[in-house]
Amino acid sequence: DAKTTQPPSMDCAEGRAANLPCNHSTISGNEYVYWYRQIHSQGPQYIIHGLKNNETNEMASLIITEDRKSSTLILPHATLRDTAVYYCIVKYSGNTPLVFGKGTRLSVIA
Amino acid sequence: DSGVTQTPKHLITATGQRVTLRCSPRSGDLSVYWYQQSLDQGLQFLIQYYNGEERAKGNILERFSAQQFPDLHSELNLSSLELGDSALYFCASSVVPATSGRAFGTGELFFGEGSRLTVL
Repeated sequence: DAKTTQPPSMDCAEGRAANLPCNHSTISGNEYVYWYRQIHSQGPQYIIHGLKNNETNEMASLIITEDRKSSTLILPHATLRDTAVYYCIVKYSGNTPLVFGKGTRLSVIA
Repeated sequence: DSGVTQTPKHLITATGQRVTLRCSPRSGDLSVYWYQQSLDQGLQFLIQYYNGEERAKGNILERFSAQQFPDLHSELNLSSLELGDSALYFCASSVVPATSGRAFGTGELFFGEGSRLTVL
């Protein structure tokens, strides 16, 4: 799987949009970008994934650059409950393991 | 609630002992994954099973073994325990479309709440 680079930590004010960047410059054509988060020792939670096009669901939006070398996860209105470690993972679709890096620790501040 | 069930939630044991962690995947999921999370190592992939067969292997020690049973639940066996084995152990499962005709899914993994192992 291609490697990703994320900032180790970020702060966001409650109610504002949280924009979490991820670099994946060596991504191959068939690899997807997945985002997961882990809230304080709970099991990681799937957020969203995409291949080329931008994606949106009830939790977040995923913006992938045209060259696919980077992406941004957007939490439109961050709440205190969004405080977590966010992982950007690049992998092929299908039943293959996720390989976690260190992720970004997002702190939402009141 | 992800639908993945792990037992026990907490386990305290002594060095040299053996423990078994159990995982029940989401209904219909054929793939089960085991991960270890310790304070200094982050989330480490251990092993994956698909429909009873080992599919992928990660950083799993020889003292550890796993299996997936015909009813698709899985067990992770940890033996000759050491202090460094103290960690959270997560199980995850993934979806395989029944009509796909192959072991292919969307790549989403659904994680249980973990089993916290403390080795004293």
